[in-house]
Formats: sequence, C-alpha cells, structure tokens
Amino acid sequence: EVQLVESGGGLVQPGGSLRLSCAASGFTFNEHYMDWVRQAPGKGLEWVGRIRKKSNSYTTEYATSVKGRFTISRDDLKKSLFLQMNSLRTEDTAVYYCCRVVSRSENDALDFWGLGTVITVSS
Amino acid sequence: AIQMTQSPSSLSASVGDSVTITCRASQDIRNDLGWYQQKPGEAPKLLIYAASTLQSGVPSKFSGSGSGTDFTLTISSLQPEDSATYYCLQDFYYPCTFGQGTKLEIK
Repeated sequence: EVQLVESGGGLVQPGGSLRLSCAASGFTFNEHYMDWVRQAPGKGLEWVGRIRKKSNSYTTEYATSVKGRFTISRDDLKKSLFLQMNSLRTEDTAVYYCCRVVSRSENDALDFWGLGTVITVSS
Repeated sequence: AIQMTQSPSSLSASVGDSVTITCRASQDIRNDLGWYQQKPGEAPKLLIYAASTLQSGVPSKFSGSGSGTDFTLTISSLQPEDSATYYCLQDFYYPCTFGQGTKLEIK
C-alpha cells in the first residue's frame, strides 16, 4: 500500500525557517518524481514544486511564490522527500501535502497524496 | 505562468443529476490536465489524468474531455458522496497551476 507521511509542521515566526519531511513506503520511491502542494486555510490548492528522479539529475521546479526561498530535496535510500522553507512569510501558512507523481504516456499526475502537515507562520 | 480559469466556482445539483465543470487554460496545454476531488478535511484524490483517462478505481460516472485550452469534467448520476471541491491541474508548463476550484453541493 502506498503511504506518504508528512512531518515537521508547526508554528514559526515570520522570517524563520522550517524543514518538512515526507516518508514514503509501499512503492519504489526512486522511480518517481515527487511534488509538494499546499493549501492555505479556506483556500484552493497551490502547487509548490517538484523534484525529478536520479536519472533526471534530481532537477527541481518551483512556484514563483516560493522560488529562491524553498528548496526541495530527496534521499532515495531513506525513501524521504524534504522541503526546506526559509524566509517564511505569513502567506506561507498552509497545509503542505507531499505527492507522488506518476508519468503515463508523457502525462504526469499526482496519484497519491499524504495527509498533510500544517505550517503556521505568525508572530 | 499558465492561468487555469475554472467555472463555475460553485454549483448545487440534485441526486441523480449530471453536472459539468470547465477549466480553461491561458495557453495550449495539449492534454496535460488532471482533475482532482477534495472532500472536507481530506487530501485531494486524482480522478482523471491526461484530460480524459480515468484513474484506476475511480467510478465511470466521472469523465473528462478536452484538449488545447478547454477542458471539462462531467459527473453523472450524482450521489451525496460526490459533494466535494473539484480542481483541475495543468503540468504542461512549469510552474504547474491549479484552477481555483469548484465546490459542488448535492441538494
């Protein structure tokens, strides 16, 4: 059974940093791109970023709103995904979801999602 | 960034009805669009990928169509459990972008 479990959420002051983790199980982690998606309270979904797999040199993509502040990384041996968040702003307050990306016929989709971890940025 | 304009933002329908939700992309995204369902307090769930391919395990009451800039999600034979917010997501261009969501209420 595919499982994605996020951790590391909490309360942080504006300008602070936080590192989220996502533990993956039930699938061959190193064969998949992985995404982070977030959802501010009462708002819609916002794509945060993507990390590709080793054969694609672990390259990353980011939303404009987080580029330069957030960094996605992964540890394939530990089957873990990470989101390093720096220079946090109040507008970064959200539930952060870890998602598996499945690639089919040149189309990608987010086929499994974790339950999310809550980040609150407030003084 | 590609803008995904989803409509309507909310709708109400009765049990047994069919509804259609639309997503329009600001540029041609071929068929690189997915539809997701999110129920309150839950993580989103993939319904449709590649614009029209049903995700494994998803009931055939859900169907998608479109290519280029205009896409639709149709839900037939509505049941109370279809009450949710539905989102489209394009990942043809980076950054990937979601539509703003459509909240479906079942009367």
